[in-house]
Amino acid sequence: DAGVIQSPRHEVTEMGQEVTLRCKPISGHDYLFWYRQTMMRGLELLIYFNNNVPIDDSGMPEDRFSAKMPNASFSTLKIQPSEPRDSAVYFCASLLGQGFDDEQFFGPGTRLTVL
Amino acid sequence: DAKTTQPPSMDCAEGRAANLPCNHSTISGNEYVYWYRQIHSQGPQYIIHGLKNNETNEMASLIITEDRKSSTLILPHATLRDTAVYYCIVRRTGTASKLTFGTGTRLQVTL
Repeated sequence: DAGVIQSPRHEVTEMGQEVTLRCKPISGHDYLFWYRQTMMRGLELLIYFNNNVPIDDSGMPEDRFSAKMPNASFSTLKIQPSEPRDSAVYFCASLLGQGFDDEQFFGPGTRLTVL
Repeated sequence: DAKTTQPPSMDCAEGRAANLPCNHSTISGNEYVYWYRQIHSQGPQYIIHGLKNNETNEMASLIITEDRKSSTLILPHATLRDTAVYYCIVRRTGTASKLTFGTGTRLQVTL
């Protein structure tokens, strides 16, 4: 398996623009997580899905952020409108979900810069 | 999930064992100890986890004290490629329990 795939790897945009980040989890994994990493706040969980259904979005910073998972092999994280403080590395991770102690597999991340 | 405490940084000579400590004094009986690492500019990578017994895999060994209030991750023969931030995370058993990342330990392996 190719692992968790994220696109784009780098995104530079201007304040006010819409940004869409994409993630393809490992095939067969039931859970998908979105994280954000900044120098100030470290690595923090934004939202996660189970069988394409959002389970916990308490980490989503505000209404400008939204995430969807239309099917088992694709998820998006959208920021509209984007702001400079959204600049961060966004990671997607997936988890099999068949055991009590499964590990999360992380993608390579998308580095977002909002000017 | 219980909080963990790790030293902010450590150095290790290449070829020597790297011993990374972690305190989790408030851990409860149904919580595992997980270790992940993050090499610069990459996504976090799972290393090992355990509940109460010591564990070993191809990457590392995990030693958990009998009272489970602390643990040590051991990289037996550190290489330059092991330079990374290492995160100790306590996580409830059960699928999809959240991973809460702290600040971790920045391990620098030197020649």
